Amino acid sequence: GDSVTQMEGPVTLSEEAFLTINCTYTATGYPSLFWYVQYPGEGLQLLLKATKADDKGSNKGFEATYRKETTSFHLEKGSVQVSDSAVYFCALRGGNQFYFGTGTSLTVIP
Amino acid sequence: GAVVSQHPSRVICKSGTSVKIECRSLDFQATTMFWYRQFPKQSLMLMATSNEGSKATYEQGVEKDKFLINHASLTLSTLTVTSAHPEDSSFYICSARSGGAAIRGYNEQFFGPGTRLTVL
Repeated sequence: GDSVTQMEGPVTLSEEAFLTINCTYTATGYPSLFWYVQYPGEGLQLLLKATKADDKGSNKGFEATYRKETTSFHLEKGSVQVSDSAVYFCALRGGNQFYFGTGTSLTVIP
Repeated sequence: GAVVSQHPSRVICKSGTSVKIECRSLDFQATTMFWYRQFPKQSLMLMATSNEGSKATYEQGVEKDKFLINHASLTLSTLTVTSAHPEDSSFYICSARSGGAAIRGYNEQFFGPGTRLTVL
């Protein structure tokens, strides 16, 4: 079945450091891929998405490229800020259903 | 556009009581709504899928008599946790999909902000 494997955290970085959170997927067909962010005490917010191979999703300085050959959708940001501290979820949508990774907690320290 | 709200955002109740959580699509008609549960430091687990005007489809292992779902209108779905126990304490999140968008092949789901349930 469809699934998402996400880099385990927690991740702690200094402000302005480079961020990579790895995400790989297993799916039948051609899923859409997503990154969601969850700030403390809040629900999920869509961060970015890609709907087909080689698409790059980007938002708020974050980027992820849909790599079909490696079945990956790694999240990157060149310079993180304290306000980026949150839990990040990689997800795929197969048909009507979402499959989420276990989430990666990111803490950015000044 | 595409805003989904949940009410209440937080609720604390005594063991044995029932709690109702509302999920509303504010600016679109949601023919399908999904209910998820999130345990601390874990991912979201799909509990059930509800279609307007019909019975919800529950995922394996989810007690349908304990988690009652009603999707009576195109903008409202409710989840009622009956006879709540401390182990039901969790973060419940709904998402909604636009029927019109689905017909056009656009399958986006929009998530609500979640409801934190604490059962004492």
